[in-house]
Amino acid sequence: AQRVTQPEKLLSVFKGAPVELKCNYSYSGSPELFWYVQYSRQRLQLLLRHISRESIKGFTADLNKGETSFHLKKPFAQEEDSAMYYCALRQGAQKLVFGQGTRLTINP
Amino acid sequence: KAGVTQTPRYLIKTRGQQVTLSCSPISGHRSVSWYQQTPGQGLQFLFEYFSETQRNKGNFPGRFSGRQFSNSRSEMNVSTLELGDSALYLCASSAASGRLSGNTIYFGEGSWLTVV
Repeated sequence: AQRVTQPEKLLSVFKGAPVELKCNYSYSGSPELFWYVQYSRQRLQLLLRHISRESIKGFTADLNKGETSFHLKKPFAQEEDSAMYYCALRQGAQKLVFGQGTRLTINP
Repeated sequence: KAGVTQTPRYLIKTRGQQVTLSCSPISGHRSVSWYQQTPGQGLQFLFEYFSETQRNKGNFPGRFSGRQFSNSRSEMNVSTLELGDSALYLCASSAASGRLSGNTIYFGEGSWLTVV
C-alpha cells in the first residue's frame, strides 16, 4: 500500500537552530512528493515539490529513493516557520496521500 | 486571481441530517478534489472530478457523494450525518487532468462541519 509516514507529531526547536522534518514513503514506481504547510488560520499551501529541486523560504527537501525519504530541512529556523507541515505523495491526478503531519514550533 | 472558494465556512448539523458543501475552483481549473481533515485520521482523499466525471474515489461510505458542474464548480453531499463526520472538508483544484509535474494542487480554506 502506498503510504506516507511522518514520525514526529510535534517538533520544537529554538530560533536559529537547524530544522529537519522527517518524511518516509512507500510507493511502487516513480514517486512525486510534496511538502505542504498550514500556518495558523490559513489554508493548506504548497511549500515545495521534489521535482523542482527549489528552495522556498529557506527550506529544501531531497528525495532519497534508496531510503524512501523526503525530509524537509532548513539551516536556521525562524519564528514565522511555526506551522503544521504535511508530506504528501501524489497517487493520481488530484489524489494526494498525506502523512499525519508535524507541528513545528520555533521557540524565541 | 481568486483562490479556491468554499461555502459555507462553518455549519452545524444534527445527526441524521444531510449537508451540501460547495466549491468554486480557481478560474480556469477543471480538476476538483475533496478531502476530509480530522485530528484523528488527518487528511483523507474523498473524490476527484474532471469535466463533470468522477475519476477517483477514496475509501468512504456511500453516504458521501459529489458532483461537478459544467462550469467546474463542485458540490459534495453527506447524507444521514453521523457524529464522526464532524471535520474540516477541503476542496482543491488544479489546471490539468493528468499527473503532470506542473500540475499544482491548490486548496481552499475549507468548510468546518460540526455534527451534534
